[in-house]
Amino acid sequence: QVTLKESGPVLVKPTETLTLTCTVSGLSLSNVKMGVTWIRQPPGKALEWLAHIFSSERKSYDTSLKTRLSISRDTSRSQVVLIMTNMDPVDTGTYYCALIQEGSSSKAFDIWGPGTVVTVSS
Amino acid sequence: DFLMTQSPSSLSASAGDRVTITCRASRGFNNALAWYQQKPGSPPRVLIYAASTLQSGVPSRFSGSGSGTEFTLTISGLQPEDVATYYCQKYDDDVLTFGGGTKVEIK
Repeated sequence: QVTLKESGPVLVKPTETLTLTCTVSGLSLSNVKMGVTWIRQPPGKALEWLAHIFSSERKSYDTSLKTRLSISRDTSRSQVVLIMTNMDPVDTGTYYCALIQEGSSSKAFDIWGPGTVVTVSS
Repeated sequence: DFLMTQSPSSLSASAGDRVTITCRASRGFNNALAWYQQKPGSPPRVLIYAASTLQSGVPSRFSGSGSGTEFTLTISGLQPEDVATYYCQKYDDDVLTFGGGTKVEIK
């Protein structure tokens, strides 16, 4: 069974940098064509896609947040890391990572982590 | 920028009603369109992928259709357990945008 788990700080101060880790269990990211994406959800609001890393290591980012985001992958640890700089209270919310099989067999993001809540406050 | 406009933003219907939610894309793309259901306190779960393919385990009252710039999720016979927020998402290429969500309630 494939599972994802997000981890990182619960509380960050304004202007600080947030580092979140998505740990994938039950499969090796180096052996399969899987992409990992990060999504966030402010309290009571809609899902927002943030960043994605393909199995090829190609990366894509939401245009409006591109200058603040960095996504990377450590296949030996089966982890995907998201870094977001210059945090602001409006960045408060639940952050999810999700997995997608690439190619014609894709079933969209069918595996999600439980999410991790991040609060930005001084 | 690529946009997915989802409508309505909320709806209230009676149990057994047919419910339709629409997503319109700012430009056409292939059928890599998914519909997700999210209940409070939980991550989303995929209902439909490839615009019209039902995910395994999802009740057959859910169906998806559309192509190009307009896609539709239909719930044929709304059930109390369908109370949730529904999102569309384009999931291929470099732009993985979500629609703004539709909150579905039971009258």
